[in-house]
Amino acid sequence: GENVEQHPSTLSVQEGDSAVIKCTYSDSASNYFPWYKQELGKGPQLIIDIRSNVGEKKDQRIAVTLNKTAKHFSLHITETQPEDSAVYFCAAPFKAAGNKLTFGGGTRVLVKP
Amino acid sequence: NAGVTQTPKFQVLKTGQSMTLQCAQDMNHNSMYWYRQDPGMGLRLIYYSASEGTTDKGEVPNGYNVSRLNKREFSLRLESAAPSQTSVYFCASGASGVYNEQFFGPGTRLTVL
Repeated sequence: GENVEQHPSTLSVQEGDSAVIKCTYSDSASNYFPWYKQELGKGPQLIIDIRSNVGEKKDQRIAVTLNKTAKHFSLHITETQPEDSAVYFCAAPFKAAGNKLTFGGGTRVLVKP
Repeated sequence: NAGVTQTPKFQVLKTGQSMTLQCAQDMNHNSMYWYRQDPGMGLRLIYYSASEGTTDKGEVPNGYNVSRLNKREFSLRLESAAPSQTSVYFCASGASGVYNEQFFGPGTRLTVL
């Protein structure tokens, strides 16, 4: 099945610095790569996604890049703020299993004021 | 729009008891999903329903059953709860187009003693 590896598992940054989380996937047919943010005690919230026909997508302070050749995609958060502290999950669909999403193990981001 | 709603928010069961977790969505989505989230394990798919009237097993279906009651509602049943089923359960829904965007509910925290 699809395998999605996410690194690092924890990330501590100073407020104002950038944070980068990287995911690799195994299914070369995957065409959609979402990122979710999960705050304590809440459900995952879709914050940005990228489709396989583009290499980069930005939304204010967050951006996602995709390298289909290397089969990896990354989340970039610039000018981090304390409210960015959360667990972030990447995911990729497994075509042979009806496009069901496989999730990475998550990255706990702590932004220190 | 309420999005995806789940009841109850918290539940404590004794081993062997049964219960049903309820999920409803008001986004007119075809697909609905049940995941469990355990510490360090990320999100794992239990069951999903690609459309009203169909259900299929995910990665970890043992010990669970589901019912797609109508387009809006998708329930998860534990017939005989076991301590290994202590987890946080999330329901999600999606439009099931080419790109598998999924939107999550707030979760049910279940403890089995």
